[in-house]
Amino acid sequence: SQTIHQWPATLVQPVGSPLSLECTVEGTSNPNLYWYRQAAGRGLQLLFYSVGIGQISSEVPQNLSASRPQDRQFILSSKKLLLSDSGFYLCAWSPTNTEAFFGQGTRLTVV
Amino acid sequence: GESVGLHLPTLSVQEGDNSIINCAYSNSASDYFIWYKQESGKGPQFIIDIRSNMDKRQGQRVTVLLNKTVKHLSLQIAATQPGDSAVYFCAEGTARQLTFGSGTQLTVLP
Repeated sequence: SQTIHQWPATLVQPVGSPLSLECTVEGTSNPNLYWYRQAAGRGLQLLFYSVGIGQISSEVPQNLSASRPQDRQFILSSKKLLLSDSGFYLCAWSPTNTEAFFGQGTRLTVV
Repeated sequence: GESVGLHLPTLSVQEGDNSIINCAYSNSASDYFIWYKQESGKGPQFIIDIRSNMDKRQGQRVTVLLNKTVKHLSLQIAATQPGDSAVYFCAEGTARQLTFGSGTQLTVLP
């Protein structure tokens, strides 16, 4: 069966520091991969998606970037974090842009 | 940022009873719906999905009903258990265009 791993679960970083969140999927090949941010009101914002290695689409302009160095690995990064980057980040995969299966999330607090 | 005093609709049920969680959607063109369960501090967990060409779908202990006429979706949980306590979201759309509805906090009472 397919599983998705996302880490770390929580992270506290100072303003201006770099960020790297990692997500890996097991049990499937060539998944569609996604990074979302979930707001306090539970609304979900798609940040990036990828349909293959090295293929990244950005949905909103922001201080973050994403990379897909391997088929089942998706990384969310920032060179310099802002206070406004605090939030709950979710990685997800989908077989063919249908249902999304989420990781456990990362609670990022920028201080 | 965080919203102080944010309140979700709540539903409290006795353990062993059936639960019904409701959701209204606005886009009449939506053709794919999903129910997710989210526990505090964790990612949403896929429960069941339904396409607009269906009006009912059953899973293990769960049933989703879709009424396209009134744009209403419901999730029925049979024999609710303590582990079912969580926030439940209906969502419409596929992964690239996924919209969460307002969640419902389900609390299972002993």
